[in-house]
Amino acid sequence: AQTVTQSQPEMSVQEAETVTLSCTYDTSESNYYLFWYKQPPSRQMILVIRQEAYKQQNATENRFSVNFQKAAKSFSLKISDSQLGDTAMYFCAFLYSGGGADGLTFGKGTHLIIQP
Amino acid sequence: DAGVIQSPRHEVTEMGQEVTLRCKPISGHNSLFWYRQTMMRGLELLIYFNNNVPIDDSGMPEDRFSAKMPNASFSTLKIQPSEPRDSAVYFCASSGAGVVYEQYFGPGTRLTVT
Repeated sequence: AQTVTQSQPEMSVQEAETVTLSCTYDTSESNYYLFWYKQPPSRQMILVIRQEAYKQQNATENRFSVNFQKAAKSFSLKISDSQLGDTAMYFCAFLYSGGGADGLTFGKGTHLIIQP
Repeated sequence: DAGVIQSPRHEVTEMGQEVTLRCKPISGHNSLFWYRQTMMRGLELLIYFNNNVPIDDSGMPEDRFSAKMPNASFSTLKIQPSEPRDSAVYFCASSGAGVVYEQYFGPGTRLTVT
């Protein structure tokens, strides 16, 4: 079984600042994906970014990028030029990809607050 | 394109009543997932289906919970009898048709059992 740990229950930064959310995971598998999901107050789960474990290059989506350290089992999310609309819960998630479809394992989440 | 559709969006019921949550996955997706979100336990997988067949139901908390997928476009999660500790947000998600490993979530059903 795999576990996902997010050690920062809440973070607060000023608008336009850069913020990094931490995530560590534990697994014995070698084939997997890692994701960051955003959940705003509307409670809709929105996929922010995805990283395939076999890729060494860190994924980037506009202002969002990850720092994937496979040996350390670390997967942090960096948000550049933060905006008020980035205020939300952020969940790190693990997905085993060795056998087709499987369920996501989520961390407990980080509540990110962007201050004006 | 319509996303994952869940109904109802909110459900309030009394302890002991039967509750049925419904989900319509994205057309063409062949995997469907039910998750539950609570403050105490966070987001946890309850059950998932592949091509309408239940693959892993180890997350279903107890026999009071059951899920079905009679066809590719519809799934239900039933709780009978309901208890106050079942109060949570229940999400349905689907994946497949190309980007197999990306799961698309519905808006969730907020269930309150009094």
